[in-house]
Amino acid sequence: GAVVSQHPSRVICKSGTSVKIECRSLDFQATTMFWYRQFPKKSLMLMATSNEGSKATYEQGVEKDKFLINHASLTLSTLTVTSAHPEDSSFYICSASTSGSADTQYFGPGTRLTVL
Amino acid sequence: GNSVTQMEGPVTLSEEAFLTINCTYTATGYPSLFWYVQYPGEGLQLLLKATKADDKGSNKGFEATYRKETTSFHLEKGSVQVSDSAVYFCALPFSGSARQLTFGSGTQLTVLP
Repeated sequence: GAVVSQHPSRVICKSGTSVKIECRSLDFQATTMFWYRQFPKKSLMLMATSNEGSKATYEQGVEKDKFLINHASLTLSTLTVTSAHPEDSSFYICSASTSGSADTQYFGPGTRLTVL
Repeated sequence: GNSVTQMEGPVTLSEEAFLTINCTYTATGYPSLFWYVQYPGEGLQLLLKATKADDKGSNKGFEATYRKETTSFHLEKGSVQVSDSAVYFCALPFSGSARQLTFGSGTQLTVLP
């Protein structure tokens, strides 16, 4: 089956530093990748939609300059949390889609970010 | 846009008990409906789906039937196991043929031996 990986799985950083999270589709090409944020005991919140070779589309309320998304190839998307602060601590999950429908969306295992 | 309302937890059951997690939706048309499961410390996994009205999705002993009359997609399992302890999310596309998913609030299930 389709596998999506994320790296790192956990990261702890100091306030003010930037952190990059990678999302890779291992055995398929993903024209679209999605980035979600999950707060403790809460649902997933879609942050942005990333299409290969074009700018990401951010959801309302998500700061573009804070959460930089790059989808450089059909198998890799990166999320960079710039100048991280403790309130950015969260579980970040990516998903990758092989087609134009929600039926074929595969999720990564998530990255736990803790900002001290 | 489409939305989903999910029964809030947490739900605690004994092993071999019957499970129901309620999910109702509001949608334009008849979009696909999904149940995802999230085990501790992991990302989401698709548990089952139904693509049209009256369809029944099933996997690992879990079932859910797409009921347009009641706009519901309740998750059921006849006999839960300790290994079923996880958070369960009901989901559907944002709207129309959107690829993005909107999720319910999640239901934490704990199964005790």
